Amino acid sequence: NAGVMQNPRHLVRRRGQEARLRCSPMKGHSHVYWYRQLPEEGLKFMVYLQKENIIDESGMPKERFSAEFPKEGPSILRIQQVVRGDSAAYFCASSPDPTGDTQYFGPGTRLTVL
Amino acid sequence: DAKTTQPPSMDCAEGRAANLPCNHSTISGNEYVYWYRQIHSQGPQYIIHGLKNNETNEMASLIITEDRKSSTLILPHATLRDTAVYYCIVRVTYGNKLVFGAGTILRVKS
Repeated sequence: NAGVMQNPRHLVRRRGQEARLRCSPMKGHSHVYWYRQLPEEGLKFMVYLQKENIIDESGMPKERFSAEFPKEGPSILRIQQVVRGDSAAYFCASSPDPTGDTQYFGPGTRLTVL
Repeated sequence: DAKTTQPPSMDCAEGRAANLPCNHSTISGNEYVYWYRQIHSQGPQYIIHGLKNNETNEMASLIITEDRKSSTLILPHATLRDTAVYYCIVRVTYGNKLVFGAGTILRVKS
């Protein structure tokens, strides 16, 4: 059973470009979480999604950031018009049930904004 | 979710038990204690969780005091690969998100 997959592992964007981060949850998992880790800071929750639904987006910046988890395909975290402050590691986690007791994390996508 | 307090860092000799403490004096009756760790540059890894009884799995043991105001994660035979940041998290189940604090940097030394 493959683990949580994220791609790309490293992404470089120039200021003003768009960044798309993909997350494929573990097989059978329909609950996906996104977290961000800024340099030298802790992990911060961003958004929790179930298939086709956003359940909790309390950690998402109000502008430029969006997330989706379609019926088919991976979850996507989209950052429009990136700025240098968006440079961070973005981790996706999946869980087999809504308790979220055990969240399985992917290896992360490291976004660098030039 | 209740707040947790952990020492910023600890050292442990390879092969010895690593005991990582966590204070959560404001924990509510329906909140669980979770432990995750993050090895450098990797995604966090679930270790164990419990409500009030002590728990053990293949990775570690979790000891929760009777008043539930503190807990200890025990790695019985630490190896160099256990060097990581260990996070103690208190949350209700069905609480969905994990709230990570600063954690404890555990350095296992040969």
